[in-house]
This record gives sequence, structure tokens and C-alpha cells, in this order.
Amino acid sequence: DAGVTQSPTHLIKTRGQQVTLRCSPKSGHDTVSWYQQALGQGPQFIFQYYEEEERQRGNFPDRFSGHQFPNYSSELNVNALLLGDSALYLCASSLLSSEKLFFGSGTQLSVL
Amino acid sequence: AQSVTQLGSHVSVSEGALVLLRCNYSSSVPPYLFWYVQYPNQGLQLLLKYTTGATLVKGINGFEAEFKKSETSFHLTKPSAHMSDAAEYFCAVSDQTSYDKVIFGPGTSLSVIP
Repeated sequence: DAGVTQSPTHLIKTRGQQVTLRCSPKSGHDTVSWYQQALGQGPQFIFQYYEEEERQRGNFPDRFSGHQFPNYSSELNVNALLLGDSALYLCASSLLSSEKLFFGSGTQLSVL
Repeated sequence: AQSVTQLGSHVSVSEGALVLLRCNYSSSVPPYLFWYVQYPNQGLQLLLKYTTGATLVKGINGFEAEFKKSETSFHLTKPSAHMSDAAEYFCAVSDQTSYDKVIFGPGTSLSVIP
């Protein structure tokens, strides 16, 4: 049983560019949450998707957007990249009815 | 709003010694509480969780935590540290109405000295 998979594992972009990160949830899960983890800090909640709609959102600007597909996989898009967007981006999947999150290994984004 | 504080960004213990990682939370509603572990270059793995019921919760790898409502604490302990316990530990909280919006603390890095 595959767990949560994220791609790519590493990514280097320059300021002003746009990036798309991808996540495939654990089999049977219907909810995907995205987190940003800056170096030396705890993960910060970006948003959560369920039934292809954004269900909850953290304190992140509109430059951060997402999408969930009918197969429950998800994308995180970040526009107009800033140096401060450099971080590990974590995807977590769950069942809407469960409090337990399963995390992927993350995508390390570096903005130069 | 919910929040989590973790006392000590870095803790060092000797192999075989007691591990104690501190966590305090703030929540206006009954919380769900979690401890996650993160090994280098990996995602987070759930160690244990408190939802309702027994306040002493046992998790994987010999870890346990006790929910103390009066102290708003959820400290993580392990009687005897192993070298393999060296990792980053995160305490987290969610509320019982939107429990999948999990708020994480800043983390504590645990080093185990041989």
C-alpha cells in the first residue's frame, strides 16, 4: 500500500517564477492538506482540500492556490515566488472523518 | 485561536536516560493533541495522540504522553533513550470541530549522546 507521494522531491526556482507541486494521497484517503515548513520551524498550515474544494485555509496570501482532482490527488501552486517561499512543502492525507494525518516526504523548494 | 509552545528548541540526553520533551497548548475548545516525529529528509510520523478518554497515552517506540488539562500540557516522555530516537519532535493541536486543521509547535530537536 503506497503511502503519500509527493513530486518533485527537490526544485530550484528564481524569484517571480511560478511553481506547481504534486501530491498523491494514501490509498482510500479523501482529504489533502498542505503545509509549509521553513528551516528550523514547525509546519504551517496552508490549506486543505476535500471533494475538489478548498475546505479550510491558513494565513497565506492568494499567491498560494491549490486544486484537488477527482482521484483525490492534489496540486499546490505558488505564483510570483519570493525568497521567503523557500521551504519544505509537505502534503498530508487523511479521511475527513479521522484526526490522523499521513505525511509525504515533502518537496524542498529553493527560490534564488 | 489555537497555539502550541515547546520549551527547549534543543534537548540532549545520554543513551539510556529519561527523555522529557515539553509541550503546552492554548485552545478555547477541547483539543485533540498529537506528537509527531521527523527524521532527516523525511515527512512527519505520528507518535501518539490524545482525543478523549484516558489522559495517559502510549505511542510507538516506547513513547508516552500525559494530557493535563489544568496545566494545558501534553509532555512527551520515554524512560530510556536510544540512539535511534535522535530526531525532531513536534507537538500539535487541533480542535474537535475541525480536527484536521492541525497546528504545530516549533519543534524540539532531540540529540542522544552515546
